[in-house]
Amino acid sequence: DVVLTQTPPTLSATIGQSVSISCRSSQSLLHSNGNTYLHWLLQRPGQSPQLLIYSVSRLESGVPNRFSGSGSGTDFTLKISGVEAEDLGVYYCVQGTHAPRTFGGGTKLELK
Amino acid sequence: QVQLKESGPGLVQPSQTLSLTCTVSGFSLTSNSVHWVRQPPGKGLEWVGAIWSGGSTDYNSALKSRLSISRDTSKSQVFLKMNSLQTEDTAIYFCTRSGFAYWGQGTLVTVSS
Repeated sequence: DVVLTQTPPTLSATIGQSVSISCRSSQSLLHSNGNTYLHWLLQRPGQSPQLLIYSVSRLESGVPNRFSGSGSGTDFTLKISGVEAEDLGVYYCVQGTHAPRTFGGGTKLELK
Repeated sequence: QVQLKESGPGLVQPSQTLSLTCTVSGFSLTSNSVHWVRQPPGKGLEWVGAIWSGGSTDYNSALKSRLSISRDTSKSQVFLKMNSLQTEDTAIYFCTRSGFAYWGQGTLVTVSS
C-alpha cells in the first residue's frame, strides 16, 4: 500500500503568517492516464473533512485562493498564504492514484 | 444538491457484526463511487473501502478479511458490514463520494460490552 508521510505533525502560526505542509509518498502518484490524484482536506474540530485542493493544484470551488498546492511524483506541498482563524484544524493529504486509497497522518494547524 | 447520510447502531458488542447504511441523494451510484472512511477518537482518517460505479469493490488491506461493501442502486444506498468487531474499531464512520468533495456528517460507532 502507498504510505503518505506528512510533515510537520503540528504547525503553530500567527494570523497572517504563511505556512507550508509537506506530503511525501512511498510511490509515484502519477497515474497511467497522466493525472496525479493527490488531494488536500481540512477537518475543523467537530466537523467532517472538507476538500481544499484536488489533483495536486486545483482549487475546489468556494475555497479561498490563499490555499495552493504544488508538487509532482512523490513530493507535494500545501501552502497557506496568510493564515486566518478559520483555517485552524487538521490537514490531510489523500491519494487516489493507487488502490487501496490512503491518507496521510495529518498536520494540526494551531494558533501560536 | 449532493448529500450523504450515514446511519446505524451507535453501540456494538465485541465480536459482533457492524452494519452501516449510507443514503445518498443528488447523484447516481452508477456514475460515482462511494467510499467509507473512519476516524478513531482523537486520531486521523483511515480509508476503509469503496464501491465503484460499476459495482466492484476495494478494501483496506488490514480490514479486508472482515469487511463487505454493497449497494442498492434503486434505494440510493451503500452498505458496510464488518464482522468480528473489536474495541479498536470504535470510530466515527463517514461515507464520501468519489473525489472526496462531499461527505456525510459521520456516525459514531462504539464497540463495548
